[in-house]
Amino acid sequence: SQKIEQNSEALNIQEGKTATLTCNYTNYSPAYLQWYRQDPGRGPVFLLLIRENEKEKRKERLKVTFDTTLKQSLFHITASQPADSATYLCALVSNFGNEKLTFGTGTRLTIIP
Amino acid sequence: DAGITQSPRHKVTETGTPVTLRCHQTENHRYMYWYRQDPGHGLRLIHYSYGVKDTDKGEVSDGYSVSRSKTEDFLLTLESATSSQTSVYFCAISGTAYNEQFFGPGTRLTVL
Repeated sequence: SQKIEQNSEALNIQEGKTATLTCNYTNYSPAYLQWYRQDPGRGPVFLLLIRENEKEKRKERLKVTFDTTLKQSLFHITASQPADSATYLCALVSNFGNEKLTFGTGTRLTIIP
Repeated sequence: DAGITQSPRHKVTETGTPVTLRCHQTENHRYMYWYRQDPGHGLRLIHYSYGVKDTDKGEVSDGYSVSRSKTEDFLLTLESATSSQTSVYFCAISGTAYNEQFFGPGTRLTVL
C-alpha cells in the first residue's frame, strides 16, 4: 500500500542549529513533493515545491532535497529560530495523474532558545 | 488566507443531524478540496472539485457529499452526522492540480 512517513513525530533543536526533517514514501511515483508549515489552530501554509527531476530547492533559510532512488525528501531549516517552531507536513502528487495531494502526518518542530 | 473563508468556524451538533460546511474563495481558482485533520492521521482528502459541477471522491468520502454550483463556493454536507466525523475540516484551493494549495482557517466540528 502507498505510505508517506515523516519519521519524527516531534523534534527539538537548539536555536541557531540546523533542523532536518525527513519524509519517506513507499509505492509512490511522485511527480511533485511539497512542504507545508502548520501553526496550532491554523491551516497549513505552503513553503516549497520540488519536482521529481530536481535534486534540491532553496528559499531563504529553507532547503529541500528530493532523492527518488532513496524515496526520500529532506527539509532543512538553517540558523533555526524559535519562530520556526511549528508542525511541518510533506505532501506528494502522484505521477499517475489522479490530481490528488497526499499528506504525511507531520513533524512537530520546537526550537529551544 | 489567500482569499479563502470557511463557515462556520465552530459547530457543535448532535448525532443524526445534517450539517453543511461552506468554503468560499475570491481567487477564481479551478480546484477546491475538502480535508479532515485528526490526530495520528494527518490531513486526509474527503472530496475535491476540478470545476463547476465537477467533483470526485477522496480517501475518506463515505458519509460526505459535496456540491459546487459556482466557481467560488464548495459545500461539504454530512447527511447524518456521526461522532466519528468529529474533526477539524479544512478547505483548500489551487490553480492547477500540481500547484501549491492554499488553505482556509478550518472548521472545528463536534458531533455529540
